[in-house]
Amino acid sequence: QVQLVQSGAEVEKPGASVKLSCTASGYTFTSSYIDWVRQAPGRGLEWVGIINTRNGNTFYAQKLQGRVTMTRDTSTSTVFMELSSLTSEDTAVYYCARERGRISVNDALDSWGQGAMVTVSS
Amino acid sequence: DIQMTQSPSTLSASVGDRVTITCRASQNIGTSLAWYQQKPGKAPRLLIYKASSLESGVPSRFSGSGSGTEFTLTISSLQPDDIATYYCQQYDTYSWTFGQGIKVGIK
Repeated sequence: QVQLVQSGAEVEKPGASVKLSCTASGYTFTSSYIDWVRQAPGRGLEWVGIINTRNGNTFYAQKLQGRVTMTRDTSTSTVFMELSSLTSEDTAVYYCARERGRISVNDALDSWGQGAMVTVSS
Repeated sequence: DIQMTQSPSTLSASVGDRVTITCRASQNIGTSLAWYQQKPGKAPRLLIYKASSLESGVPSRFSGSGSGTEFTLTISSLQPDDIATYYCQQYDTYSWTFGQGIKVGIK
C-alpha cells in the first residue's frame, strides 16, 4: 500500500532553517508528483509547493518564494523540503502528500504523510 | 491566486440529516476540485476528486457535484463518524488553494 513517512518534529530559532524529509513506498516513486501542505495551529490548510519526482522541477507558493526549496533523491524515494529564514509565522504541521494519477497531469492528493510539527521559537 | 470560499462557516445537524457544503471558486476551474475530510490531530483524507468522483474506500453517502465556479459536497445521511472539518481544494491553476474549511458537528 502507498505510504509516505515523514521525519520528526523540529524546534528552531527565528532566522534558522529547517529541512524535512518524506519517504515514499508502495508505488513507483517517479510516477507521481509530491506536494507539501502546511497547517498552522488551529488554522486551515495552506499549499506550500510541488515537486516533479521524475525531473526535479518545482513550483512554490508565491508567499514562500525565495525561502523554500524542494529536492528529491530517487535512489531512496525521498523528497526534501527546506524552509529558511524562519519566523513564528512558519510554526505549523507540515504534510507531504502524493498527487493521484500520472505525472504530467495534476490531480488531487490521495495519500498523505503523518505530518511533522515545526515550532519556531526563541 | 484563485480564491476558494466555503459556506456555511460552521454547520450543526442531526444524525441522519442530509448535509450540503458549498465551495465557490473566484474563477473557472472546470472540474479540478477535490474535497477532503480532516479529524483533529490527523492528516486530511481525500473524499472526492474531479468534482464528483468518489475516492476508493469512501462511503457512498458522500457525493460531490458542480463545475466551473460552484461546487457542493453532500453527505446523504450524517453519521457520528462524519464529525470533522471539510476542505475543498482547486488544482486547476498554480498555486493550488484550499477553502477555509467547514466544521461539521452533531446537534
